[in-house]
Amino acid sequence: TQLLEQSPQFLSIQEGENLTVYCNSLSVFSSLQWYRQEPGEGPVLLVTVVTGGEVKKLKRLTFQFGDARKDSSLHITAAQPGDTGLYLCAGEASNYQLIWGAGTKLIIKP
Amino acid sequence: NAGVTQTPKFQVLKTGQSMTLQCAQDMNHEYMSWYRQDPGMGLRLIHYSVGAGITDQGEVPNGYNVSRSTTEDFPLRLLSAAPSQTSVYFCASGRTRGREYEQYFGPGTRLTVT
Repeated sequence: TQLLEQSPQFLSIQEGENLTVYCNSLSVFSSLQWYRQEPGEGPVLLVTVVTGGEVKKLKRLTFQFGDARKDSSLHITAAQPGDTGLYLCAGEASNYQLIWGAGTKLIIKP
Repeated sequence: NAGVTQTPKFQVLKTGQSMTLQCAQDMNHEYMSWYRQDPGMGLRLIHYSVGAGITDQGEVPNGYNVSRSTTEDFPLRLLSAAPSQTSVYFCASGRTRGREYEQYFGPGTRLTVT
């Protein structure tokens, strides 16, 4: 069974601080996706990383795919209250089936 | 475009009842999936489809049926509801763009089985 471990499970920080969320697995994925989910809504895709070592930036969010394509990280610089939400990573295993992490609940306090 | 729509938004069932959760997408995506989301467990794949007429089981298929007669619609049927099926259900459609696979989610159906 493929597992995707996401850490931390919960993070509460002050506005302006930096943070990193990790997504780790023993399995190799063909790609890895990051989503953000607001309460009462479905997840929204933020980014997909495909190549080992790939780095993608989305404004203050930086996503990195590990060289071996087994892990990924999401770094947020100068967090804002609007960044509050549940962050989910998902690895593409095969036939477009995704293996999901349990999520990181992020709260940014003003 | 409405994207992915799901109905109903909320549903309460008694044990043993059956019902169908509706899902439709207007983006002409080949891929559609049903997930359930439970606290602390992330999303788990129930069933998925890679095109009209083609469906397959995911991680947790027991107690659920699907069909895909058209590209647009992918209903999920609960055959005989059990309290263990209390969850939030999400439908998603997806497409490939080069090497990337993009998935778009509906707003979810919150189901309670008593």
